[in-house]
Amino acid sequence: QQPVQSPQAVILREGEDAVINCSSSKALYSVHWYRQKHGEAPIFLMILLKGGEQKGHDKISASFNEKKQQSSLYLTASQLSYSGTYFCGTDQSSSNTGKLIFGQGTTLQVKP
Amino acid sequence: NAGVTQTPKFQVLKTGQSMTLQCAQDMNHEYMSWYRQDPGMGLRLIHYSVGAGITDQGEVPNGYNVSRSTTEDFPLRLLSAAPSQTSVYFCASGQGRNNSPLHFGNGTRLTVT
Repeated sequence: QQPVQSPQAVILREGEDAVINCSSSKALYSVHWYRQKHGEAPIFLMILLKGGEQKGHDKISASFNEKKQQSSLYLTASQLSYSGTYFCGTDQSSSNTGKLIFGQGTTLQVKP
Repeated sequence: NAGVTQTPKFQVLKTGQSMTLQCAQDMNHEYMSWYRQDPGMGLRLIHYSVGAGITDQGEVPNGYNVSRSTTEDFPLRLLSAAPSQTSVYFCASGQGRNNSPLHFGNGTRLTVT
């Protein structure tokens, strides 16, 4: 079942922070985050596994609350290069195949 | 190392025509999958494969067929194209575990008139 992302779109000024949420009605075994620039393929950002972990990559970090079946992506001090559409991909199966169900995406625009 | 290669990049079909979208990866990945991307709908899983000879349906499989005769290739067939299949199609591969990322091809933009 497709997870729900919120907000659908956000506009920021450089240096501002943003949070993108991903919520599922099914149990999650891992959550992946990807960013897609217009006309390009999605690019991997990070993976979070069960265990409530948080991961970080430069000024982009994420958390995963398996009990609430939710993940959040945190973009700190946003840069122009952060603009794009962000997708969460969720593993909803215990069979550990790598199969991902993606959310509908959140479009982020960072302005100078 | 080319990664995931999709062909063609663009295609225009008439309603009722059939075609095959090609996907090949050179990373020896066991897992391969096809997604379609439509505005506001995100990436929706069409079919996936966990290894040669093994395929399964995703969220939106109707109107599409797949086969996986080799580890490297995972073609997607449209049997009788419909305007509702106008979309951007992405192939993705991975090591087949929930702790490994997916690698996406550059996509095929398909228009059905």
